[in-house]
Amino acid sequence: KAGVTQTPRYLIKTRGQQVTLSCSPISGHRSVSWYQQTPGQGLQFLFEYFSETQRNKGNFPGRFSGRQFSNSRSEMNVSTLELGDSALYLCASSLNPWDRQETQYFGPGTRLLVL
Amino acid sequence: GDSVTQMEGPVTLSEEAFLTINCTYTATGYPSLFWYVQYPGEGLQLLLKATKADDKGSNKGFEATYRKETTSFHLEKGSVQVSDSAVYFCACAGGGNKLTFGTGTQLKVEL
Repeated sequence: KAGVTQTPRYLIKTRGQQVTLSCSPISGHRSVSWYQQTPGQGLQFLFEYFSETQRNKGNFPGRFSGRQFSNSRSEMNVSTLELGDSALYLCASSLNPWDRQETQYFGPGTRLLVL
Repeated sequence: GDSVTQMEGPVTLSEEAFLTINCTYTATGYPSLFWYVQYPGEGLQLLLKATKADDKGSNKGFEATYRKETTSFHLEKGSVQVSDSAVYFCACAGGGNKLTFGTGTQLKVEL
């Protein structure tokens, strides 16, 4: 079974631009979560989607948004990019979002550099 | 909210040395606890997990026991290898799917 895939793997943008990142979960997984990883703040939860609905959201500004499609693929968008948005963005998928015992499986990440 | 504290790195060990990485958590209820590992340039891989008190998670020679009385989930390995060099993250899931991570501990194993 294929793992979580993320595209693109690397991205360079300039301040003020917007960016869209894509995540395809493991087949059969309907829950997708996004995390931001930076050297200064570590791993921080962005949001979670299940059945095309956002179930949970972290403490990030409204410039960060996401959506999920009927095939469970998810996209996240960052508008008006700032230098501080440079990070590794990780996507994770799981079967059951209500079960705290559930394992989340992570993709390789998209590394975004904002110049 | 939930929080996870793990020992600062980097940790440098000689091959075959004993490894301990401390992790403590704060969460309401009965969280599940996880250790993830990240190799350079890659995403996170689940190393092991424990879902209730006194459970021991184990994988690839690594072990961690869920200690509710001390709110801890320390990672141990009896004999590390060079290939274990990576960054290790402790995490808890207090409710649903949201993971709260520690800051990560970089491990370097030398010959």
